[in-house]
Amino acid sequence: GESVGLHLPTLSVQEGDNSIINCAYSNSASDYFIWYKQESGKGPQFIIDIRSNMDKRQGQRVTVLLNKTVKHLSLQIAATQPGDSAVYFCAEMFGNEKLTFGTGTRLTIIP
Amino acid sequence: NAGVTQTPKFQVLKTGQSMTLQCAQDMNHEYMSWYRQDPGMGLRLIHYSVGAGITDQGEVPNGYNVSRSTTEDFPLRLLSAAPSQTSVYFCASSYLERDEKLFFGSGTQLSVL
Repeated sequence: GESVGLHLPTLSVQEGDNSIINCAYSNSASDYFIWYKQESGKGPQFIIDIRSNMDKRQGQRVTVLLNKTVKHLSLQIAATQPGDSAVYFCAEMFGNEKLTFGTGTRLTIIP
Repeated sequence: NAGVTQTPKFQVLKTGQSMTLQCAQDMNHEYMSWYRQDPGMGLRLIHYSVGAGITDQGEVPNGYNVSRSTTEDFPLRLLSAAPSQTSVYFCASSYLERDEKLFFGSGTQLSVL
């Protein structure tokens, strides 16, 4: 998985399987977290967000889990499709400060 | 619905040249911002604006200027390009006055020789 500030890791998943992308954030006071998807040659695209008063939030085929005890965030993608191949990165924010972005994880879907 | 539009898509400059990266959004968002993306690093904030006539510096503002004369447009100016400014630049906007729910443009890949 990725950590805000670390080298870009990779993850390969068989088409149809579930994938889990991890993110370790740095600020224990962060109260807002967001996941973005970035396809090659494109800008980041919002996937899902979560506030610190929640530990789980679900979207369409995606679930974000937040574990504040260990400062860990994960993105679960169900039944992965070829179109899910991209770089995924998380970001954290505290109050009205600016987002701090992670470097991302490259997800490759194997047909 | 175009969203956030950036031009140009690609640009090559020589050291010392100046240029303007254009950004326009048609969503009537008050909040706009500029980021640069470098290999091995997360997006870094250059400048941002919470509305027309209001701009502020982000994490890496040196060498860049911005202005916000209208709600729709937020151009980024490189005053005297340096090789260290070789990067991919993204413009983003939000209907909120903060970084939540940012909508990004498709980026400008800039090379400074």
